[in-house]
Amino acid sequence: DGGITQSPKYLFRKEGQNVTLSCEQNLNHDAMYWYRQDPGQGLRLIYYSQIVNDFQKGDIAEGYSVSREKKESFPLTVTSAQKNPTAFYLCASGTGGSGANVLTFGAGSRLTVL
Amino acid sequence: AQSVTQLGSHVSVSEGALVLLRCNYSSSVPPYLFWYVQYPNQGLQLLLKYTTGATLVKGINGFEAEFKKSETSFHLTKPSAHMSDAAEYFCASGGTSYGKLTFGQGTILTVHP
Repeated sequence: DGGITQSPKYLFRKEGQNVTLSCEQNLNHDAMYWYRQDPGQGLRLIYYSQIVNDFQKGDIAEGYSVSREKKESFPLTVTSAQKNPTAFYLCASGTGGSGANVLTFGAGSRLTVL
Repeated sequence: AQSVTQLGSHVSVSEGALVLLRCNYSSSVPPYLFWYVQYPNQGLQLLLKYTTGATLVKGINGFEAEFKKSETSFHLTKPSAHMSDAAEYFCASGGTSYGKLTFGQGTILTVHP
């Protein structure tokens, strides 16, 4: 079945450490997105990519980095510069282009900073 | 810039009662509008979407929403709540480029027996 796989599901990090969250899709979608979810704040866009080797900052990109070396993969690195990284992170993919395209979401990764 | 406002962070209904979750959008152009549902510790699933055409949109699990341009609203309804409807619901607006979505703050629906 086609879908999006995020790993790990749960991750604990010490302050000052970088961590990388994996996102893989087999839907042949061109566009991929990373959202951060905090209670009561909905989802906020971190980064998005429309094509391989190209990506753009979203609304809250500070302290995060991404790469898009393959169409299927869009890993997110949470760096030590992110002041409050504890959150639920959601990866999504879509056909891109139009604002009418439906996003397919992964099951999420919950990051906790100790 | 687009924005989406969901009125009420928590809604509680009895099983069998009407479900009404409110969503208002702000957009300078006709938006694309979506409702997603999220069960605990899971990703989001699409309930329904409005792009163009009929303003009453039917989705999965008996949910529907009506696009009202004059009120800039896209409220989600279900005639009779079921225990399995308990979840968090997100309204979202799509812009004209790149497929990015702007999400509302979410509404947690609780269904009482």
